[in-house]
Amino acid sequence: AQSVTQLDSQVPVFEEAPVELRCNYSSSVSVYLFWYVQYPNQGLQLLLKYLSGSTLVKGINGFEAEFNKSQTSFHLRKPSVHISDTAEYFCAVTLSGNTGKLIFGQGTTLQVKP
Amino acid sequence: NAGVTQTPKFRILKIGQSMTLQCTQDMNHNYMYWYRQDPGMGLKLIYYSVGAGITDKGEVPNGYNVSRSTTEDFPLRLELAAPSQTSVYFCASTGGVRAYGYTFGSGTRLTVV
Repeated sequence: AQSVTQLDSQVPVFEEAPVELRCNYSSSVSVYLFWYVQYPNQGLQLLLKYLSGSTLVKGINGFEAEFNKSQTSFHLRKPSVHISDTAEYFCAVTLSGNTGKLIFGQGTTLQVKP
Repeated sequence: NAGVTQTPKFRILKIGQSMTLQCTQDMNHNYMYWYRQDPGMGLKLIYYSVGAGITDKGEVPNGYNVSRSTTEDFPLRLELAAPSQTSVYFCASTGGVRAYGYTFGSGTRLTVV
C-alpha cells in the first residue's frame, strides 16, 4: 500500500530565508504527486503537481518541488519566504486508475518569522 | 462563485445525535470525496464517489454513511455521534485528479460533546 511521510511537523524560518519542506512516499507502482497549502481556517489549495516529464515542477506563489524517484521524495522549496507563506502544507499521492483518491501526509506547519 | 460549498461551517452535537453534512459542487465533477482532518494526522478519506449512484468506502468509514443521488450533491451522514468524530470535515471534487487536482470546500468544524 502507498503512504506519504512528511518528515517535519513544524518548520520555523525567518522572512526572506529559503525553506525546504520534505516529503517521502512509498509505492511499488508509478505515482502522481501533489503539494497543497492550507491557510488558517480555510480549505486546501493546490500548489503544484508532478505527473511525468521534468522532475522539477513549478507552482504558484514561487514554490517549486523536485521529484526524485530513486529516493522516493518530492520535497517542496522556496528560495525566499514571506510572512504570508505561513500555513500548513500537505504532500499527497495518487496512483494511476480511475478513482482519483489522494493519500495525504501528516502536514508541515511553516512558520515564517519577521 | 463556482466551487464546492459545504454547510454548516460549525456544529456542536451531543453524543448519540445524528446530522448530515452537506456538500454541493457546481462544476459538473464526477468525482467527490469526504475527508476528515485531525491535528497531526493529515487528511483521512472517509468515503468517495466516482459518479451519481456510485459510492465506496475510504480509509475511515465507520460511523458514517453517504449517498450520491445527483452529480452535484454528496452528503455525509453521521449516525449516533461519538466524541471520536470531533474533527474538521472537508468535501472535495475533481473532474480528473491528475489534470486538475481537487477543489476543496471550506470545511465543517464538528464538535461532539
